[in-house]
Amino acid sequence: KNEVEQSPQNLTAQEGEFITINCSYSVGISALHWLQQHPGGGIVSLFMLSSGKKKHGRLIATINIQEKHSSLHITASHPRDSAVYICAVGGGGGADGLTFGKGTHLIIQP
Amino acid sequence: DSGVTQTPKHLITATGQRVTLRCSPRSGDLSVYWYQQSLDQGLQFLIQYYNGEERAKGNILERFSAQQFPDLHSELNLSSLELGDSALYFCASSVVAGDTDTQYFGPGTRLTVL
Repeated sequence: KNEVEQSPQNLTAQEGEFITINCSYSVGISALHWLQQHPGGGIVSLFMLSSGKKKHGRLIATINIQEKHSSLHITASHPRDSAVYICAVGGGGGADGLTFGKGTHLIIQP
Repeated sequence: DSGVTQTPKHLITATGQRVTLRCSPRSGDLSVYWYQQSLDQGLQFLIQYYNGEERAKGNILERFSAQQFPDLHSELNLSSLELGDSALYFCASSVVAGDTDTQYFGPGTRLTVL
């Protein structure tokens, strides 16, 4: 079973700061997902990646398959980015579903 | 709005009871996943259906069961409820099976067992 570790668990930053959230996993995967969960509970899929780097607006996700590590970066952070960010990995072929990290609780102060 | 709908939004019931949670996937999505989010366990994968057939099982208890109907909506049945079953239950859908497809999450059903 894959173990997914995220760091930091909690992060408070000032508006405009560059944010990095890290995710590492123990077993080779087919894909890694970054999810965002708002205070109201809704979950939004931000990225799904199996190699390299993806960018969407101010969000950038990278993955290093050899090192079993991924990072989520937020540039020019804004209070509306305050949320829980969750890393999840798939084992391949849908056989095991997604395994989730415990999440990073991010607060951006104005 | 992800296009995935879940009903009801909130459910309060007593120990020992049985409840049914309903999920309608995005139009065109064949795969439905059920997840449980509790304070102590975090998010956990329960079960996946693809085009009406069970495809993968996770940490689903024997008291829980699910099915996907011909119109692709899915139901999660929870029986002999215990206090520890109190959680947020999400369903998600994707076009195909497999973990390499983006999953779209519904708003969740908050279950409280008293």
